Amino acid sequence: GAVVSQHPSWVICKSGTSVKIECRSLDFQATTMFWYRQFPKQSLMLMATSNEGSKATYEQGVEKDKFLINHASLTLSTLTVTSAHPEDSSFYICSAPELQGTDTQYFGPGTRLTVL
Amino acid sequence: DQQVKQNSPSLSVQEGRISILNCDYTNSMFDYFLWYKKYPAEGPTFLISISSIKDKNEDGRFTVFLNKSAKHLSLHIVPSQPGDSAVYFCAASPYGGATNKLIFGTGTLLAVQP
Repeated sequence: GAVVSQHPSWVICKSGTSVKIECRSLDFQATTMFWYRQFPKQSLMLMATSNEGSKATYEQGVEKDKFLINHASLTLSTLTVTSAHPEDSSFYICSAPELQGTDTQYFGPGTRLTVL
Repeated sequence: DQQVKQNSPSLSVQEGRISILNCDYTNSMFDYFLWYKKYPAEGPTFLISISSIKDKNEDGRFTVFLNKSAKHLSLHIVPSQPGDSAVYFCAASPYGGATNKLIFGTGTLLAVQP
């Protein structure tokens, strides 16, 4: 099936710094990608929709200035957590819909962010 | 407001038996439902889906049933295998199809005992 990768798989940073997470569709093009966040023992919550060539669409309650999304190409979306704080520590997962073959959504392996 | 709910946080089943995972939703506009399997610190893996125009979809050991009037769907795994042990999420698509944003349930941890 289609493959979506994320980098890094885990990152530890100091409070106040910024962290960039990459999401790539490896064998298909994705004009849209989705960013989710999962806190321990909770569900995946959609944060935003990343659109290639246009601004991202954020879900209610998600700060767009804190979680910067850039869909640089048809295979790459990045999420930058700016001025990270301990409460931003979470598991961040991206997904990309594959429209040409299976017509479903594939998820990346996730990025574990720990803010000290 | 949790629009997709999985009321059983965990389920334990003997190997070879049937596993039944349940999911309820509140929004009647949802028209596509998916089940994902997830291991800790990994992304979800797609299992099976169903459109609201159907009431059953089968793929190997996995069958999903949809009861629109009750706003309820279930995933049946038979026979269950130890490798099926994971967290299972149901997800609903509010805008049609599997390629739009998804709303996830809270997950059910399935443990298949050898």
